[in-house]
Formats: sequence, C-alpha cells, structure tokens
Amino acid sequence: GAVVSQHPSWVICKSGTSVKIECRSLDFQATTMFWYRQFPKQSLMLMATSNEGSKATYEQGVEKDKFLINHASLTLSTLTVTSAHPEDSSFYICSARVGSRETQYFGPGTRLLVL
Amino acid sequence: SQKIEQNSEALNIQEGKTATLTCNYTNYSPAYLQWYRQDPGRGPVFLLLIRENEKEKRKERLKVTFDTTLKQSLFHITASQPADSATYLCALVASGGTSYGKLTFGQGTILTVHP
Repeated sequence: GAVVSQHPSWVICKSGTSVKIECRSLDFQATTMFWYRQFPKQSLMLMATSNEGSKATYEQGVEKDKFLINHASLTLSTLTVTSAHPEDSSFYICSARVGSRETQYFGPGTRLLVL
Repeated sequence: SQKIEQNSEALNIQEGKTATLTCNYTNYSPAYLQWYRQDPGRGPVFLLLIRENEKEKRKERLKVTFDTTLKQSLFHITASQPADSATYLCALVASGGTSYGKLTFGQGTILTVHP
C-alpha cells in the first residue's frame, strides 16, 4: 500500500515552454502533498505544500507564479513549471501524506531537462 | 541558522560488516527524525521513524538511535549486503512553529557495500 506515482518520469522541453507534472496517490487519499526539487548531488529541498482544495504554501525563495501547484482532489496534485528555463532543469519529487500522520510517501520523481 | 549534517558524504564497507551513518543537527528542536533510502534516479523510500522521546528503534537489520542532548542520530545496518548500497537520507520535522510537519533533509550519505 501507500503508492505514489508521478507522470511523466522524464521530460525534455524547450526554453520558454510550460511543463506539467502529475502526482497521484494510488491506493490512499492524500490530504497533503509536498513538492520537492533535487539538484545533482544535493538533497531534497521542499518547494511547496499543498492541501486538497486550498492554495499551496510556498517555501521562501520559490516563485509561486513560476511553479503553479493545483491539488484538485485527494489523489492528484499537479506542478506546472511555467516558462521553463535551463536553470529549472532538476529532479522533481512529490510526496503524499494522510492527515497529520508522520510518514510521507514519495513518488519516483520526474527528471526535467530544459534546453 | 538551522543545519542538518550527515557527516560522511560517502561510506565504503565490506559485506557482512555493520554500516553506521551519522546525522547531526543544530538550532533545531525536532519532533521526530526519519531515515530514508534513495536509489539513483528514484524518490526516497521511508525506512524508520524515531520520536524525540525515543532512544532507539529497530526494524530487521536496521537500528536507529536518537540523542537529543548530543543532537545526533545514528543509523546502523547490520550484516550489510551489496543490495544495501544506496544514498541514505536523514530528515527532521520541527516540533512546532510554521515548519511543523515539513521534512528537512540532510545531504545524504552514499553507502557502498563491497562483496
């Protein structure tokens, strides 16, 4: 149980285009989903927290107009990287949590390469 | 500022030995601490959680200790196997304030178990 999927697993796009990444909890309902970014040889950095039906809360330094997050249902959250640039190339990972339980379940990640 | 340090970037050990990984933190009051395993190009997988009032937790060949006086957690893998080779991440959750519930990760330790 507690499986989280992400789609796509990797994406290559041209600079200036927008990319949407989906995060789904497959066998449970996630009241909270988190989005992280991981650059090579670095650890995961939290970008934003989203609760179903509410606006996402962004971490300091993360542009909310660039990284649009939608958590429309208890099993789906999306991250849209708008007007992507090469510096946005990274590994994006989502996680999901049930209520206030302590454990987060992570997706397999999405590798984004912006040319 | 808050800091989480895993003081070995890489650890190489022989199969069958015990691997010990360290996680130190400063300027932090964690409610609990978690250890994750991350394989290359994949999302983290939850291993163990230990709360601030717990000294030790075990799960099969894994053992975690938590010393809030030393501000340190040790993660042990006994009878290590080549399949244990991966990056291991510690993550803290603050006990209060705006950061409650959010995971803050250390930079990870790359463990390689040689046959």
